[in-house]
Amino acid sequence: TQLLEQSPQFLSIQEGENLTVYCNSSSVFSSLQWYRQEPGEGPVLLVTVVTGGEVKKLKRLTFQFGDARKDSSLHITAAQPGDTGLYLCAGRIATGNQFYFGTGTSLTVIP
Amino acid sequence: DSGVTQTPKHLITATGQRVTLRCSPRSGDLSVYWYQQSLDQGLQFLIQYYNGEERAKGNILERFSAQQFPDLHSELNLSSLELGDSALYFCASSVTASTTGELFFGEGSRLTVL
Repeated sequence: TQLLEQSPQFLSIQEGENLTVYCNSSSVFSSLQWYRQEPGEGPVLLVTVVTGGEVKKLKRLTFQFGDARKDSSLHITAAQPGDTGLYLCAGRIATGNQFYFGTGTSLTVIP
Repeated sequence: DSGVTQTPKHLITATGQRVTLRCSPRSGDLSVYWYQQSLDQGLQFLIQYYNGEERAKGNILERFSAQQFPDLHSELNLSSLELGDSALYFCASSVTASTTGELFFGEGSRLTVL
């Protein structure tokens, strides 16, 4: 059983469209990170959110941490082929010493 | 380039065999983590070391063991290999023991057990 469930699992969209990826759990997290992984490479950190309700923007990417710190979302505006990859959320529980990774969302942006 | 080096990149072996995966963390990072990534299980945390000491343990099988050496490089030993052990094994490093900071991942070692 995964602590963090991501949806959708797969997403294929046209260039220029908007999309939202969700990361949900029944557990409360002290912080949550989003990573992006390209084929043949390891995950690379995009953002860390630590406060309930926090919103962070990174160019066309908007990250939100839920008020109860149990969920998060990643919204991409005007997706580009370079956004293609596996998006992973990772949450750290307050008593833990490591991050639990979500199931991942595989995004394909078609030119 | 994350600065984390993993070897070998690819490994093919038979069931029942034993393999060792090696990881060199980023310069200055004291903490090393091992993760297993498979298609049906996602990225699973195996074990964490900090400055040579085991700090946290996740879903690591008894057939697997790891250690971190004085020069901070780490090795993951997988023994009595089974078909289900086929996966990508990632090493990540961070500056501190607490994972509130960024994890820097290597490119992974792809293990195929035949």
